[in-house]
Amino acid sequence: AQSVTQPDIHITVSEGASLELRCNYSYGATPYLFWYVQSPGQGLQLLLKYFSGDTLVQGIKGFEAEFKRSQSSFNLRKPSVHWSDAAEYFCAVGGWNNDMRFGAGTRLTVKP
Amino acid sequence: DTEVTQTPKHLVMGMTNKKSLKCEQHMGHRAMYWYKQKAKKPPELMFVYSYEKLSINESVPSRFSPECPNSSLLNLHLHALQPEDSALYLCASSQGQGASNTGELFFGEGSRLTVL
Repeated sequence: AQSVTQPDIHITVSEGASLELRCNYSYGATPYLFWYVQSPGQGLQLLLKYFSGDTLVQGIKGFEAEFKRSQSSFNLRKPSVHWSDAAEYFCAVGGWNNDMRFGAGTRLTVKP
Repeated sequence: DTEVTQTPKHLVMGMTNKKSLKCEQHMGHRAMYWYKQKAKKPPELMFVYSYEKLSINESVPSRFSPECPNSSLLNLHLHALQPEDSALYLCASSQGQGASNTGELFFGEGSRLTVL
């Protein structure tokens, strides 16, 4: 079965600084990979997704992620963080069988 | 605006009550999901319906009973719940099976359940 590991439970960055959130996956075939963001008390919003093709994918709100098959990674990046980016970020892996699994999440705090 | 609508947004119930959570989508998706999310935890898959048939049941206790009346609606019937069942219940939908299916989930805002 597929699984996802997010090694960082909590990250704090200063506003304007760059951000990288790590994600490693385990999946037997070509994975479908996702990053979702969740603000407190809200549902999950899709930031970006990777299915195939170009390994660098662009998402909403200035986020991007790079799929590295050799490292089984799909790290999320943003060049300059805004205070409104403070939230919980979930990496997820899914496939054709409609079985999406989430990582434990990384909570992002943004310092003024 | 989310295209997956969940009602109610908040629900408080006693351990002997029977209640239901409802979810609706009009995107033509053929797969619908229930996830349970405890505070500071990731969503945990409970049930998946594909083409109105239950395709995944993650060994959820029988006090949770899903129902998919049609391809647009998904219910979660609740009976004899425990306080530890208090959580955010998220509904989601996806395209369903087929060559075009990428498994991307579209989530509702969730129903916050408190069991007293």
